[in-house]
Amino acid sequence: DSGVTQTPKHLITATGQRVTLRCSPRSGDLSVYWYQQSLDQGLQFLIQYYNGEERAKGNILERFSAQQFPDLHSELNLSSLELGDSALYFCASSVRDVNTEAFFGQGTRLTVV
Amino acid sequence: AQSVTQLDSHVSVSEGTPVLLRCNYSSSYSPSLFWYVQHPNKGLQLLLKYTSAATLVKGINGFEAEFKKSETSFHLTKPSAHMSDAAEYFCVVSDRSGGSNYKLTFGKGTLLTVNP
Repeated sequence: DSGVTQTPKHLITATGQRVTLRCSPRSGDLSVYWYQQSLDQGLQFLIQYYNGEERAKGNILERFSAQQFPDLHSELNLSSLELGDSALYFCASSVRDVNTEAFFGQGTRLTVV
Repeated sequence: AQSVTQLDSHVSVSEGTPVLLRCNYSSSYSPSLFWYVQHPNKGLQLLLKYTSAATLVKGINGFEAEFKKSETSFHLTKPSAHMSDAAEYFCVVSDRSGGSNYKLTFGKGTLLTVNP
């Protein structure tokens, strides 16, 4: 168990809908990262938050947004969903930045139908 | 810009034989390097990490990797494969890439199959 908790584990929704994925980092970790894993793209970095502030952005679509709350949990919001958004979404956390290791949650499998 | 190349998308070995998963990286700065393992329908688990200390790094479950700067390689090895090693393995590089923030870049992954 990595200590990173993601909910829900599975999500099935229709195109055009909006969903929220939740991540609770390991106790004491200030950084949260979101990744998307799909068969064709592999693991893609979406966004990083550090202590409540956005730190880095990767290949995140404008339809997607995230935030980190004062208690350090994070939410990834995906809107106007398309079939191609079906993927496994991982959250990871680290103490500060990723020069040390990042610990990954079990992921949320999103299926858009 | 940093990049990671995992030279084999699929490696198949027999139980009890050695495992070699190859990884080459490109980085403009002194990188940190990691290997993660992903079992089916599971999250990613850190196997081992290199962060500029000893070049031969030992990890969990008998895995080790050697950082070779001259070859820009960080190959993962294990002397004797076990059935439970069957999984996907990711080589990961972390550096600042000219910015102030560290960034993790993942390889495409190597699927390890272990045959009885």
